[in-house]
Amino acid sequence: ETGVTQTPRHLVMGMTNKKSLKCEQHLGHNAMYWYKQSAKKPLELMFVYSLEERVENNSVPSRFSPECPNSSHLFLHLHTLQPEDSALYLCASSQEQGLAGGTGRGQETQYFGPGTRLLVL
Amino acid sequence: AQKITQTQPGMFVQEKEAVTLDCTYDTSDPSYGLFWYKQPSSGEMIFLIYQGSYDQQNATEGRYSLNFQKARKSANLVISASQLGDSAMYFCAMREGGDYKLSFGAGTTVTVRA
Repeated sequence: ETGVTQTPRHLVMGMTNKKSLKCEQHLGHNAMYWYKQSAKKPLELMFVYSLEERVENNSVPSRFSPECPNSSHLFLHLHTLQPEDSALYLCASSQEQGLAGGTGRGQETQYFGPGTRLLVL
Repeated sequence: AQKITQTQPGMFVQEKEAVTLDCTYDTSDPSYGLFWYKQPSSGEMIFLIYQGSYDQQNATEGRYSLNFQKARKSANLVISASQLGDSAMYFCAMREGGDYKLSFGAGTTVTVRA
């Protein structure tokens, strides 16, 4: 059991649908992340929020729209997705010690939620 | 260039035996952290163990230990006394100092046989 929860756990949607993924962390962390895990590909970082501000956006298509209303919650809004967007979407959180990605020592552990398995038809 | 390399796509291990999972990394940053995660079929990414680049001793966490060889840029995970519940995918990851991003390897599937 971890302190990061994600809902829904499974989602099937058509290409014209709009849906949202929700992540909540109960660890008191100040940074939250969205990762995408596709079959046969390493995990890819999509977005990072630190102190509720987006600090990284790794060339993610605009059909993915993140939202971080507070330090405990993170959303990923989905619209007009493509079948190739089918993947496991993982949320993570960490406690960053400094302002820019931590102390500079790469120490902060990221704790992951159980993921949402998304299938786009 | 790939930052994390895991060369073993799959491994079988007998219950109660030890298994070593290989990981090599590539960075020019003197400050970095190395992490191992376990991912069962349910999908959750479970943090196992951490090694910092400045740490003098190898990290240990229960049955998990990290064989850190800095000069060779390797960070192998050793699981001792394997249990059936250890069957999962194992990922090596690196976080460079000042960077939010965790770079993951391709993973190694471990199957523990009774």
